[in-house]
Amino acid sequence: AQSVAQPEDQVNVAEGNPLTVKCTYSVSGNPYLFWYVQYPNRGLQFLLKYITGDNLVKGSYGFEAEFNKSQTSFHLKKPSALVSDSALYFCAVRDGGFQKLVFGTGTRLLVSP
Amino acid sequence: EAGVVQSPRYKIIEKKQPVAFWCNPISGHNTLYWYLQNLGQGPELLIRYENEEAVDDSQLPKDRFSAERLKGVDSTLKIQPAELGDSAVYLCASSLQGLGAYNEQFFGPGTRLTVL
Repeated sequence: AQSVAQPEDQVNVAEGNPLTVKCTYSVSGNPYLFWYVQYPNRGLQFLLKYITGDNLVKGSYGFEAEFNKSQTSFHLKKPSALVSDSALYFCAVRDGGFQKLVFGTGTRLLVSP
Repeated sequence: EAGVVQSPRYKIIEKKQPVAFWCNPISGHNTLYWYLQNLGQGPELLIRYENEEAVDDSQLPKDRFSAERLKGVDSTLKIQPAELGDSAVYLCASSLQGLGAYNEQFFGPGTRLTVL
């Protein structure tokens, strides 16, 4: 079965510094990977996806993610963090031939002023 | 473009009572999903519809949960009777899927259910 792991429950970073939120995956076949962000009392918002092509994927709000097949990782990055980036971030993988997403447990990002 | 609409946003009920959640997907989206999100966890799929057809309901506890998507647009998820462990956020999502394509899912704000 497909799965993703987010090894950090929380990531703390100062505003203006680069941020990385980690995700590793386990799939059979080609991975379809996604990042979503969830703000308090709101649904998940799509940030970016990797289907095929360039290993560096650019998404919304200045976020990008790097797909690394040899390390089975899909880390989310941003060059300069904003306080407003503080939220819960979920990595997800498509489950095989099924059109459903399998989510990680989430990483809380806290950006301090 | 309007997003996925869910109602109610919050619901508090006593155990053994019935409850229903409603979802209106993004216009034109043929695929609709219901997810369950427990506190501190990622969402887990309950059921997926392609148009009117439930194509994946393997994770839906069918003894107490039911869902329908009449006319392939709006959907309702029902729990009867509710149990304490059903307290969670119920998320609805929609997407436009086609042969060979996989497009992202768009999520509604969710319904937070509290069972007392």
